[in-house]
Amino acid sequence: RKEVEQDPGPFNVPEGATVAFNCTYSNSASQSFFWYRQDCRKEPKLLMSVYSSGNEDGRFTAQLNRASQYISLLIRDSKLSDSATYLCVVNPVDSSYKLIFGSGTRLLVRP
Amino acid sequence: DGGITQSPKYLFRKEGQNVTLSCEQNLNHDAMYWYRQDPGQGLRLIYYSQIVNDFQKGDIAEGYSVSREKKESFPLTVTSAQKNPTAFYLCASSMLSGSYEQYFGPGTRLTVT
Repeated sequence: RKEVEQDPGPFNVPEGATVAFNCTYSNSASQSFFWYRQDCRKEPKLLMSVYSSGNEDGRFTAQLNRASQYISLLIRDSKLSDSATYLCVVNPVDSSYKLIFGSGTRLLVRP
Repeated sequence: DGGITQSPKYLFRKEGQNVTLSCEQNLNHDAMYWYRQDPGQGLRLIYYSQIVNDFQKGDIAEGYSVSREKKESFPLTVTSAQKNPTAFYLCASSMLSGSYEQYFGPGTRLTVT
């Protein structure tokens, strides 16, 4: 089983739609979680950090479910500019600085 | 502006040649990392360093070497021993306290023929 698993997509949604991605992780002791955004042929950029029960930043909401070992990312009112690959990233507790990256979920927002 | 720079953006080499990728940061971060990304795949850790003159192998270190002579710099050498060197190489840095978010440079796309 992979340490971090994501549905690769693509998720193809119309502008204005709400879309949600899930990510599961295998290490139950993991402490820190992040969502990164990666545009085609560019570097990943930090979108949100996810702590305790989750957090919200504008149209983006991240949730953490420790019991089921998954985190989610909800995007409301999708924009064309949201089209990208979203990477789920986990910090295993046994290595305080190393991050484990999921393979990413691709989102396409159409006009 | 604070950030991470990588050069060059594109690099072409012949098989059998060693090549060194540059990574510099002015964020005053202690830790630096090198990742490799292949099409449709996630990031894989090559090497990382927490402090000057010290570094550790990541998950796919074979065929690569690094140095950390200055806090700001963490160059990666792709040697001729690396069997499949063509890839997108990403350098990142982070603090060693707090939430450990990593910040990435723009990457170097290496093609070996």
